[in-house]
Amino acid sequence: GIQVEQSPPDLILQEGANSTLRCNFSDSVNNLQWFHQNPWGQLINLFYIPSGTKQNGRLSATTVATERYSLLYISSSQTTDSGVYFCAVERKDGGATNKLIFGTGTLLAVQP
Amino acid sequence: GAGVSQSPSNKVTEKGKDVELRCDPISGHTALYWYRQSLGQGLEFLIYFQGNSAPDKSGLPSDRFSAERTGGSVSTLTIQRTQQEDSAVYLCASSFFGRTEAFFGQGTRLTVV
Repeated sequence: GIQVEQSPPDLILQEGANSTLRCNFSDSVNNLQWFHQNPWGQLINLFYIPSGTKQNGRLSATTVATERYSLLYISSSQTTDSGVYFCAVERKDGGATNKLIFGTGTLLAVQP
Repeated sequence: GAGVSQSPSNKVTEKGKDVELRCDPISGHTALYWYRQSLGQGLEFLIYFQGNSAPDKSGLPSDRFSAERTGGSVSTLTIQRTQQEDSAVYLCASSFFGRTEAFFGQGTRLTVV
């Protein structure tokens, strides 16, 4: 099956710093999403981004589908950005649809 | 509803008992997913329903686990003869159809004692 690898596995930042999280995947995909899991366990949708670039406030994401990776940028980090960041992909399979497969996540801690 | 709703939020059960976990997807969403997340771990795929197609059950860890989706809407995940290793948060998600954005419920925290 498709492999999804995220890096770094964990990251500690001082408030105000910028960071880049990476998601590599081993096969062509129809769908790629970034999620933030907050300390209460809720999965928050950040981006639906099978290709291209999107921005939402201090966060932006870029997916280069032909090279099988996606990047999540966090600028001017805040303590509320702490948590686990997951990417999830759906493998491309002709006309069929498939389940979302999750990466192992990046644990981010933003210190005041 | 406004979002994906799961019940109960928490469930404590004795080893060997059966449990049922419920997921109410976003209205109109045809795709529904179940995942399991053990403490400090990532999300493990369990089962995927897409419209009237046969579900993808490839992630169910044993024959003690089953799921159904009635009328293309509400889904129930059943775990028979629960074991301590079944303790985890069970998460449900839905999407309009495959290849579109999936949204998650708040999860059911299952503890087997």
